[in-house]
Amino acid sequence: GQNIDQPTEMTATEGAIVQINCTYQTSGFNGLFWYQQHAGEAPTFLSYNVLDGLEEKGRFSSFLSRSKGYSYLLLKELQMKDSASYLCAVRSGSTGANNLFFGTGTRLTVIP
Amino acid sequence: DVKVTQSSRYLVKRTGEKVFLECVQDMDHENMFWYRQDPGLGLRLIYFSYDVKMKEKGDIPEGYSVSREKKERFSLILESASTNQTSMYLCASSLSNYNSPLHFGNGTRLTVT
Repeated sequence: GQNIDQPTEMTATEGAIVQINCTYQTSGFNGLFWYQQHAGEAPTFLSYNVLDGLEEKGRFSSFLSRSKGYSYLLLKELQMKDSASYLCAVRSGSTGANNLFFGTGTRLTVIP
Repeated sequence: DVKVTQSSRYLVKRTGEKVFLECVQDMDHENMFWYRQDPGLGLRLIYFSYDVKMKEKGDIPEGYSVSREKKERFSLILESASTNQTSMYLCASSLSNYNSPLHFGNGTRLTVT
């Protein structure tokens, strides 16, 4: 089975840096995705990691350590519009098609 | 841009009714998925399909069925709606590559009374 853990809520200040952690246990690992979901909207894709290391994309970076079953999403220069839920999802190839298993999400609140 | 369209944004149905949720994608994606999203439980996979007429059960298939007669369309069917099926339902599609992200529709908020 899949087990994905991430903090339920976080608060950070506008302009600051925040790190959202995700730990996972899975068989047949085929990559880890981060999604952003604003309240009442659909999740949107942020990043994908399949190899160890850091992937940078503008203000957002994502890190993966496969040996530790660990990833984080780093948000720099926080803006008020970054207030959203951030979903960690693991792709497992052990169940046939390439479905994603999601964590419960981290609700980030950015305060002035 | 990929577009995934769900037929209804809000739906209210009575217990015991048969409910159809429709989803259409316009990017020729092989894979299509139905998730439900509930507070504290996150996104849970109901069913997915990796080809026309093919379907696989996800984590919580009980009480649901699906139909994929055409590549672009994936329907979720609640055979006899119950109050515990009140939820946000999200459809998604993706290419078959491992690194292909899911593209989600805007969701259908279903209330069963």
